Amino acid sequence: LAKTTQPISMDSYEGQEVNITCSHNNIATNDYITWYQQFPSQGPRFIIQGYKTKVTNEVASLFIPADRKSSTLSLPRVSLSDTAVYYCLVGETYNFNKFYFGSGTKLNVKP
Amino acid sequence: DSGVTQTPKHLITATGQRVTLRCSPRSGDLSVYWYQQSLDQGLQFLIQYYNGEERAKGNILERFSAQQFPDLHSELNLSSLELGDSALYFCASSVASAGELFFGEGSRLTVL
Repeated sequence: LAKTTQPISMDSYEGQEVNITCSHNNIATNDYITWYQQFPSQGPRFIIQGYKTKVTNEVASLFIPADRKSSTLSLPRVSLSDTAVYYCLVGETYNFNKFYFGSGTKLNVKP
Repeated sequence: DSGVTQTPKHLITATGQRVTLRCSPRSGDLSVYWYQQSLDQGLQFLIQYYNGEERAKGNILERFSAQQFPDLHSELNLSSLELGDSALYFCASSVASAGELFFGEGSRLTVL
């Protein structure tokens, strides 16, 4: 299972774009990269998943370089409600057997 | 609403006691996962079941056990409770043995 490393915390201001980077040097060929968001006292919620290059949905974008040893979650124009913990997970899409979440990145959006 | 139901939402008990947490997965989901989250800590994976069978085990204590029933609901049993077992316990489900996880709202256990 590929280990991931994320910053412990980040600060931002409303309206800014936020980029959270996750390092996963030991990512395997079959591994996908998935990001979850967790608000206090709530269960995590799926944000986005990708394998390579760029994936975009209505919430975020995920950028994955060619070597796939890192990935960047991009949140456009954050608001106060985006204050949460963001987790990066790496594993085979159909073999995320242990779904280890790690410590995540605590994003604090200020007014 | 994720479609995953956990009961009870809150539970207060004493050290040495035993409790059971219940999880009903989303309709159609065969896989259930249990996580423990202590105050200001990350999510600790405990155990996963797939269609009634244990699929993966994480950092689950011997005092804890779980099972998934034929109707696919799952129960997490915590016994000989200690103060350090106080935490939020989350259940998640997914269609297969992986893929997007859908989390319940959690059961908050307080051991006094």
